[in-house]
Amino acid sequence: EDKVVQSPLSLVVHEGDTVTLNCSYEVTNFRSLLWYKQEKKAPTFLFMLTSSGIEKKSGRLSSILDKKELFSILNITATQTGDSAIYLCAVGAGGTSYGKLTFGQGTILTVHP
Amino acid sequence: KAGVTQTPRYLIKTRGQQVTLSCSPISGHRSVSWYQQTPGQGLQFLFEYFSETQRNKGNFPGRFSGRQFSNSRSEMNVSTLELGDSALYLCASSLEPGALTDTQYFGPGTRLTVL
Repeated sequence: EDKVVQSPLSLVVHEGDTVTLNCSYEVTNFRSLLWYKQEKKAPTFLFMLTSSGIEKKSGRLSSILDKKELFSILNITATQTGDSAIYLCAVGAGGTSYGKLTFGQGTILTVHP
Repeated sequence: KAGVTQTPRYLIKTRGQQVTLSCSPISGHRSVSWYQQTPGQGLQFLFEYFSETQRNKGNFPGRFSGRQFSNSRSEMNVSTLELGDSALYLCASSLEPGALTDTQYFGPGTRLTVL
């Protein structure tokens, strides 16, 4: 069975700190890894990483994928209170896994002023 | 372009009743996936529809069902509600997973409370 594990489960930092969120996976027929940010509403898409795109960056957020070691990290630099949210890692697979993303438990990030 | 919309946003039902939730995908998106989110289990995949066909189904009992219409709008139905069905039900749409991208865009969800 496909499995995605995130760590830490929760993290408390102060504004300006840099954080690293981890995601490891065991998936048959891996195709992509996605990061989402969830506040008190729907998860919003951040990045998708695949074999042809193992590093992504957008502003203060960046992510890398290590397909050999089966993990990904999400970095947030110069954190702000608006970064407080649940960060979700999900994996998409090929074969007959149509439309299915397998999610990790999420990391709850709290940024204090 | 309008995002994924879900109705209703909140719903309160009692045990034994049934409920129907609706989802309208982003214009041009043909695949709709449904997820259940609870504090204990996180986000779990329910099923996926494409071209009015269910192509994939998660590990949920037969009380959970769905369908998709020709305009790609989708509904999910839960019959004989149980207390454990209380959750946030999320719908996500994508162009066609597997073709170009797995990226799914989520709607705001329907918060179902079963009393």
